[in-house]
Amino acid sequence: EAQVTQNPRYLITVTGKKLTVTCSQNMNHEYMSWYRQDPGLGLRQIYYSMNVEVTDKGDVPEGYKVSRKEKRNFPLILESPSPNQTSLYFCASSLLYRATDTQYFGPGTRLTVL
Amino acid sequence: QKEVEQNSGPLSVPEGAIASLNCTYSDRGSQSFFWYRQYSGKSPELIMSIYSNGDKEDGRFTAQLNKASQYVSLLIRDSQPSDSATYLCAVFRAGTASKLTFGTGTRLQVTL
Repeated sequence: EAQVTQNPRYLITVTGKKLTVTCSQNMNHEYMSWYRQDPGLGLRQIYYSMNVEVTDKGDVPEGYKVSRKEKRNFPLILESPSPNQTSLYFCASSLLYRATDTQYFGPGTRLTVL
Repeated sequence: QKEVEQNSGPLSVPEGAIASLNCTYSDRGSQSFFWYRQYSGKSPELIMSIYSNGDKEDGRFTAQLNKASQYVSLLIRDSQPSDSATYLCAVFRAGTASKLTFGTGTRLQVTL
């Protein structure tokens, strides 16, 4: 089944404790992206990757890191999480990044930073 | 001015009625337009895409695009309780700085 998977789905952590949220897709997509979703603010892009070893900042990159060593994986790293990073996170992928490409979303990771 | 604007709602319609969801965008260079449905706590799911002016129909859903007015809408005919969700409008601008921008969504409630 074609899908985007994320782990963990739920995470409660404390301020300053490094964490990684994994994202994997099995559709051979070149484009991958991370979003956070907060009430009243909608989906905001954190980082994106056009292909392996090619990553760039989105609209809200502060406090996050990413890497793209393999085509299928795009982990999101929070080196020192803070409470303002409490949010619902979505990974997404598409074949390329063209006007006609559909983005497929993972199931989401609900992160709480205490 | 937000790049993509939607009324947050909730928009309440009775079962069987037509729900009309609206979205305006600010970038005249936008090329493609998407409607995603998102149930509470779940991931967005694409339901319609439209690329040229006019109407596009898919089952009970019709997307309408008017580039001159920078306006895109989604009509849901014969609304069902299962249509109750938040509907996200997304706008794509291609070019050297391609970007997909989401609106904050309109919450739709279909009442019995």
